[in-house]
Amino acid sequence: DADVTQTPRNRITKTGKRIMLECSQTKGHDRMYWYRQDPGLGLRLIYYSFDVKDINKGEISDGYSVSRQAQAKFSLSLESAIPNQTALYFCATSDWGTKGIQYFGAGTRLSVL
Amino acid sequence: GESVGLHLPTLSVQEGDNSIINCAYSNSASDYFIWYKQESGKGPQFIIDIRSNMDKRQGQRVTVLLNKTVKHLSLQIAATQPGDSAVYFCAENIGNQFYFGTGTSLTVIP
Repeated sequence: DADVTQTPRNRITKTGKRIMLECSQTKGHDRMYWYRQDPGLGLRLIYYSFDVKDINKGEISDGYSVSRQAQAKFSLSLESAIPNQTALYFCATSDWGTKGIQYFGAGTRLSVL
Repeated sequence: GESVGLHLPTLSVQEGDNSIINCAYSNSASDYFIWYKQESGKGPQFIIDIRSNMDKRQGQRVTVLLNKTVKHLSLQIAATQPGDSAVYFCAENIGNQFYFGTGTSLTVIP
């Protein structure tokens, strides 16, 4: 969905490096989410934010941090990347009025060597 | 974590036939469910949702059925088309979080 833009689309990094994945949205939604997708495991929630001052841990937050710089921007950081963080990462947004319907970006494919 | 499972990881159907994709969930507190479609190289896309006070909801060519007694929901796609080939996920809502199933890969045979 072009309304939710993730950068970069692909990234290869080395173990121990710090990396940031960025997400921006033009949908005007207040809620934003970061998920990772692994083969056979589906999507798992890392962090979510319901507004600029609100940050919440999801199922698998260890090793990750986030920053909600503005209503439209939500970034995910790996402070010291490790190989098992190799995955497909998705950002999503939703509006409080429509509760669960989330709009996803195209994903960032991250490889940690 | 929550367990949201799918009965079959892959499903192949003939073009024009109906498709049924199943999903089991484990938490009786789940009050809202969504089906998403994910095409290759893209993010998941909303298809249809259903609240726990309903047992059926219909959209365009799609129907979701919810059986709370056995904690099961299904997605039915009528007259399946090649463009329906994708991975389909169910997701259940508990509190502020959604828990996704592992997905079923649907292949439509022309």
